[in-house]
Amino acid sequence: EDKVVQSPLSLVVHEGDTVTLNCSYEVTNFRSLLWYKQEKKAPTFLFMLTSSGIEKKSGRLSSILDKKELFSILNITATQTGDSAIYLCAVLEYGNKLVFGAGTILRVKS
Amino acid sequence: KAGVTQTPRYLIKTRGQQVTLSCSPISGHRSVSWYQQTPGQGLQFLFEYFSETQRNKGNFPGRFSGRQFSNSRSEMNVSTLELGDSALYLCASSDDRTNTGELFFGEGSRLTVL
Repeated sequence: EDKVVQSPLSLVVHEGDTVTLNCSYEVTNFRSLLWYKQEKKAPTFLFMLTSSGIEKKSGRLSSILDKKELFSILNITATQTGDSAIYLCAVLEYGNKLVFGAGTILRVKS
Repeated sequence: KAGVTQTPRYLIKTRGQQVTLSCSPISGHRSVSWYQQTPGQGLQFLFEYFSETQRNKGNFPGRFSGRQFSNSRSEMNVSTLELGDSALYLCASSDDRTNTGELFFGEGSRLTVL
């Protein structure tokens, strides 16, 4: 059965800290890996990763994919309280089916 | 460009009733997929429609069904509601022409079954 596992399930950090969120996967029809941020509403898109070893960056956030070891990491540097959210990792299969992990709940304390 | 629009945003039903949820994708997007989000199971794929055809289906019972219209708007229906169907139902659209795979989510319809 296809699965996506995220760790840690939750963490609390202080503003300014750097965090690393992990995502491993076992999926049959891998197309790409996506990271989403979910606050109180719908998930919002952060990154899509298709190729191994190519880092994607957006401001303080960055992510990389390792297709050999079947995992991805999401880094957030200089965290802010506005980064508090659930971070979802999902693998996109063919047919536009997303297989989601359970998410990592991040809380950034001021 | 307007985003993905879902209606209704909130609804309350009782066991045994049925419900229909609606999703209007981003203009030009022909792929619409549906997800159920619950605290216990997280986000789970229900089904995906493209050009009025169901392309992919998740592991949900037959009480869950959907359809897509020629204007790409989609509806999903849940019949004989059970307490466990209480969830946030999210719709996502994507533009298959760009082949980026990026899905854009609506705000969701929060269903409570009493």
